[in-house]
Amino acid sequence: QKEVEQNSGPLSVPEGAIASLNCTYSDRGSQSFFWYRQYSGKSPELIMSIYSNGDKEDGRFTAQLNKASQYVSLLIRDSQPSDSATYLCAVTRGRNNNDMRFGAGTRLTVKP
Amino acid sequence: DAGVIQSPRHEVTEMGQEVTLRCKPISGHDYLFWYRQTMMRGLELLIYFNNNVPIDDSGMPEDRFSAKMPNASFSTLKIQPSEPRDSAVYFCASRGGGQGYEQYFGPGTRLTVT
Repeated sequence: QKEVEQNSGPLSVPEGAIASLNCTYSDRGSQSFFWYRQYSGKSPELIMSIYSNGDKEDGRFTAQLNKASQYVSLLIRDSQPSDSATYLCAVTRGRNNNDMRFGAGTRLTVKP
Repeated sequence: DAGVIQSPRHEVTEMGQEVTLRCKPISGHDYLFWYRQTMMRGLELLIYFNNNVPIDDSGMPEDRFSAKMPNASFSTLKIQPSEPRDSAVYFCASRGGGQGYEQYFGPGTRLTVT
């Protein structure tokens, strides 16, 4: 079982729709969770961090964490073509909040 | 504020040559991380430093890889000798020592070993 699993996609949504990205992880001791956006040929860009169960909203982005189900998600409201990118889920390993493990990423395409 | 700075942005070298990648973390950040990204293996943590001291190098693939951080504003990742399978994008990231654990990535160095 991979430490961090994501649906590789591609996920295609129309402009203005809600994009839902999902991630599961295997380490029950994980404490810190992140979503990064990576445009083709560019570096990962931090979008959201979440540390507690529940929802965390920042603008059009909402991260959701359920530690009991070992599940993290990212919702993008009012999707824009500029949101088209690969979204990487990152989870820290056990109590070491510096040892970050990444999923393979979900490629999102927002169609105008 | 300047972000993480990496150089060179692209490096092409021949097998057997020494390669040195450089990183300047965000000012004030006391953690520095080196990652490697390939299509096959994704993004992998190689090593990280805290206050210039290497803390965990368990991700370094082989003895051919070494990393140093002589001061708070500079780190190097060296591959000697390089091999074609080392071809990848190498990222440096840094984070502050506050309550959050967010890491910020540099632009990366695309390494091609022929």
